[in-house]
Amino acid sequence: QLQLQESGSGLVKPSQTLSLTCAVSGASIALGGYSWSWIRQPPGKGLEWIGFLFYTGGTHYNPSLKSRVTMSRDRSKNQFTLKLTSVTAADTAVYYCARGDYYVDSWGQGVLVTVSS
Amino acid sequence: QSVLTQPPSASGTPGQSVTISCSGTSSNIGSNSVNWYQQVPGTAPKLLIYSTYQRPSGVPDRFSGSKSGTSASLAIGGLQSEDEADYYCAAWDDSGPHVLFGGGTKLTVL
Repeated sequence: QLQLQESGSGLVKPSQTLSLTCAVSGASIALGGYSWSWIRQPPGKGLEWIGFLFYTGGTHYNPSLKSRVTMSRDRSKNQFTLKLTSVTAADTAVYYCARGDYYVDSWGQGVLVTVSS
Repeated sequence: QSVLTQPPSASGTPGQSVTISCSGTSSNIGSNSVNWYQQVPGTAPKLLIYSTYQRPSGVPDRFSGSKSGTSASLAIGGLQSEDEADYYCAAWDDSGPHVLFGGGTKLTVL
């Protein structure tokens, strides 16, 4: 059974870098032809797609975040990561990792990241 | 402001049918498939409909998706109390290119 679990700092200071990891069990992130996504949701608001990581290691990012986002993977640990630089209060959100690209069929439980000094 | 437009709210009584709309443009819904997600407050979203019409395993056939031109719809038949949730449409947008989500529709079962 596929499971995804986000982890990382829940509090980040403005202008610093948000860093999150998604540990995947039940599937290989480097095999099977799946992509792996990050999606976020500000408190009380809707969903925003951040980007996805192809199983080949290639990436595709939301144009509005592209200059600040980096996604990567660690095949040996079967996990993938999100880094978002120069964060502001507007980046405060629940961050979800998920399997898929144009649509996602499995989600992590999400992790709240608050940007505050 | 989301490029995919959904009504902020919808409601119905148990047993009724409800339809939630999602309006887009030629660069997203008009040329790509539509996906729908259900999110019960405090939990992660769940894939409800993919590729406009398809239901993942385990999703009741009370849920159905359709599309016409630059608009899509999610229909829920035989409304149940557990259907009370937020519903989001999503589609690939060729102009980004990127995935776009609608603003979400809060469904209340009266």
